[in-house]
Amino acid sequence: DTGVSQDPRHKITKRGQNVTFRCDPISEHNRLYWYRQTLGQGPEFLTYFQNEAQLEKSRLLSDRFSAERPKGSFSTLEIQRTEQGDSAMYLCASSFGTSGGYEQFFGPGTRLTVL
Amino acid sequence: AQKITQTQPGMFVQEKEAVTLDCTYDTSDPSYGLFWYKQPSSGEMIFLIYQGSYDQQNATEGRYSLNFQKARKSANLVISASQLGDSAMYFCAMTRVGTGGFKTIFGAGTRLFVKA
Repeated sequence: DTGVSQDPRHKITKRGQNVTFRCDPISEHNRLYWYRQTLGQGPEFLTYFQNEAQLEKSRLLSDRFSAERPKGSFSTLEIQRTEQGDSAMYLCASSFGTSGGYEQFFGPGTRLTVL
Repeated sequence: AQKITQTQPGMFVQEKEAVTLDCTYDTSDPSYGLFWYKQPSSGEMIFLIYQGSYDQQNATEGRYSLNFQKARKSANLVISASQLGDSAMYFCAMTRVGTGGFKTIFGAGTRLFVKA
């Protein structure tokens, strides 16, 4: 399977704990995006990487969120001191190109539940 | 600031008929791209169609076409010959094209129900 993969698919954690999610993009894709989606809403942009460089980060993202893409391949999204409001589906997407106008291929998402 | 507006929370269409899902946008970027994605109840996001702001012709992909009216800042999705499998959430999205970052924003979505 050469699609975008995300791990884990589901995560249940207690408030205050740290969680880390992983995304493996399609191998030749140089761009990687993280989104958050709550029930009944569209995906909300969190951050974007081109290769290993994090080029944009949403102002909605608090300091508790951090993302890395150390070798320009897989990426991790960490949430520190989780809050109940962090409960959502976290989507990763990847695409190829340098000008922005290319479709993004989405992974299946990681559903986070904060108790 | 960029903004995507989808004013139809839900739409019903009879099987085999055509349906138009509305999308309006606002941006100050000179070059941008507009996308439509489908999200079935299973949750995966499926790319449907793309329109560049400088494309002269409206995009088409099989039963999907994008009615792009740049002056009105609208990018409506037209689905012809609706099928039961088209029942899903549909999201309009926009991204900057060219140099710089490529933040993509999505609308709130329209839920389409196809009736047999």
